[in-house]
Amino acid sequence: DTGVSQDPRHKITKRGQNVTFRCDPISEHNRLYWYRQTLGQGPEFLTYFQNEAQLEKSRLLSDRFSAERPKGSFSTLEIQRTEQGDSAMYLCASSSRSAGSSYNEQFFGPGTRLTVL
Amino acid sequence: KQEVTQIPAALSVPEGENLVLNCSFTDSAIYNLQWFRQDPGKGLTSLLLIQSSQREQTSGRLNASLDKSSGRSTLYIAASQPGDSATYLCAVYPDMRFGAGTRLTVKP
Repeated sequence: DTGVSQDPRHKITKRGQNVTFRCDPISEHNRLYWYRQTLGQGPEFLTYFQNEAQLEKSRLLSDRFSAERPKGSFSTLEIQRTEQGDSAMYLCASSSRSAGSSYNEQFFGPGTRLTVL
Repeated sequence: KQEVTQIPAALSVPEGENLVLNCSFTDSAIYNLQWFRQDPGKGLTSLLLIQSSQREQTSGRLNASLDKSSGRSTLYIAASQPGDSATYLCAVYPDMRFGAGTRLTVKP
């Protein structure tokens, strides 16, 4: 399977704990995106990487959130000191950046559902 | 700030009907617009991407149009089937803003 994969698929944690999610993009894609989605809403953009560089961060990405993409391959999203309001589906997407097109088609992973008790 | 609106929020149709889903955006300075479907509890599946220079894209029973000047896109689904039941979302770039989606139910 050459699609976007995310791990874990589900995470239940207690308030105040730290959690880390992983995303493996489609291998030839150089852009990687993180989104958060709550019930009944569309995904909200958090951050994106082009190769290993983090090019944009949403104001939704508070200082408790950090994302990395070492070596421009997989990415991790860490949430420190989780709060109940962090409960959501965390989605990862990837795309390629080719000449002649600013933003190419995004392909999404299955998501990680976080529940903070 | 770019705002994306999808109306209606929910739609129920009998099998075989042709239907149109709407997506509106407030800032016409977009690069692309992408349509997705999402099944309950799942990730998003890409349906169509329309470049800002294009007017429409087609894939099978799906046809998406884009009118940048009026800030609108429509997704046309022909001969709907129960398997089309899902939430349909649109997203605009570079803002990476999504609408809240239209929940479609196709009844057998």
